[in-house]
Amino acid sequence: SAVISQKPSRDICQRGTSLTIQCQVDSQVTMMFWYRQQPGQSLTLIATANQGSEATYESGFVIDKFPISRPNLTFSTLTVSNMSPEDSSIYLCSADDIGQGHGYTFGSGTRLTVV
Amino acid sequence: AQSVTQLDSQVPVFEEAPVELRCNYSSSVSVYLFWYVQYPNQGLQLLLKYLSGSTLVKGINGFEAEFNKSQTSFHLRKPSVHISDTAEYFCAVSGRNTGKLIFGQGTTLQVKP
Repeated sequence: SAVISQKPSRDICQRGTSLTIQCQVDSQVTMMFWYRQQPGQSLTLIATANQGSEATYESGFVIDKFPISRPNLTFSTLTVSNMSPEDSSIYLCSADDIGQGHGYTFGSGTRLTVV
Repeated sequence: AQSVTQLDSQVPVFEEAPVELRCNYSSSVSVYLFWYVQYPNQGLQLLLKYLSGSTLVKGINGFEAEFNKSQTSFHLRKPSVHISDTAEYFCAVSGRNTGKLIFGQGTTLQVKP
């Protein structure tokens, strides 16, 4: 299965600033996704990163707050903008590396703390 | 739309005992079903998945799950647990045409010596 490298692995940021998280897959994949895992909670899908077009956001998430890029089939970025302490979470990148929803690999996540 | 309910938030069990982690789902369309494990301070690792065919699915680390369409369940089982199985377990579902995973709230498996 694909291997996903995500960086940074963790960061502590000041409120009001922005952080960009990078996700690199070692093979071309059709679909990539970004999830948020708030402390002690499950994973919530933020958006589907579409190659060459705007990301598709889930209810409750907007592009101005979480801009996403996907310039090719192996790379995506998620930016957390104008951060507040409520944005403190683990952000995970995922790829459907087998195709057609048959399998999803996850990165190790980015642990973000906003102070 | 799909949803997933994991019926137990915490499951304490003694080492070498059997365990079952329960998962029910809701969907108006055919689905794929997954179980993931998350060890402390780590990402998610796929344990097993049901796509089609045999309803009994075997995964890594001795885990297995059974898909029951009539009861809309996908319970995870292991006949004998180890201390190293202590982790958070997530059941997830995706619609066959959506490609998006919807997760349950997670079950903390606590294996005691």
